[in-house]
Amino acid sequence: DAGVTQSPTHLIKTRGQQVTLRCSPKSGHDTVSWYQQALGQGPQFIFQYYEEEERQRGNFPDRFSGHQFPNYSSELNVNALLLGDSALYLCASSSRAYRPLQYFGPGTRLTVT
Amino acid sequence: ELKVEQNPLFLSMQEGKNYTIYCNYSTTSDRLYWYRQDPGKSLESLFVLLSNGAVKQEGRLMASLDTKARLSTLHITAAVHDLSATYFCAGGDNNDMRFGAGTRLTVKP
Repeated sequence: DAGVTQSPTHLIKTRGQQVTLRCSPKSGHDTVSWYQQALGQGPQFIFQYYEEEERQRGNFPDRFSGHQFPNYSSELNVNALLLGDSALYLCASSSRAYRPLQYFGPGTRLTVT
Repeated sequence: ELKVEQNPLFLSMQEGKNYTIYCNYSTTSDRLYWYRQDPGKSLESLFVLLSNGAVKQEGRLMASLDTKARLSTLHITAAVHDLSATYFCAGGDNNDMRFGAGTRLTVKP
């Protein structure tokens, strides 16, 4: 049973560019959440998708947007990249029906230069 | 908005010693989670605590929850080098999970 997968593993972008990160949830999961983890800090909740809609959102600007596809996979898009967007981006999946736990993917390390 | 505070943020222990990491949270939380993160890696789930008085143990780690005090603890017994990692607590639920800043644990021989 494949766990949560994310691509790419690493990414280097320039300020002002746009980036798309991808996540495939664990089999049987229908909910995907995205987190940003800056170096030395705890993960910060960006938003959550369920049934192809954004259901909850943390304190992140509109430059951060997402999408969920019918197969439950998800994308995180960040526009007009800033140096401060450099971080590890974590995707977590869970089942709406069986709530207790989120499973985290390996993350995408984004570096903005 | 739920806020989660951990202490200490840095912890250096000798092998064989015991210690406790504390996690305070600001408002009512459905549940309390503990995660482990190794350098450059993702988060590994350790415990989910669902009710007041809940206690869970796995190997040398034991977690507990006191919802009245809004406090969870992660107790380390007879530490070994393999436990060196960053430990996070998080509150809320799957719709909006809030993490503490993490406790960076180093276990020295």
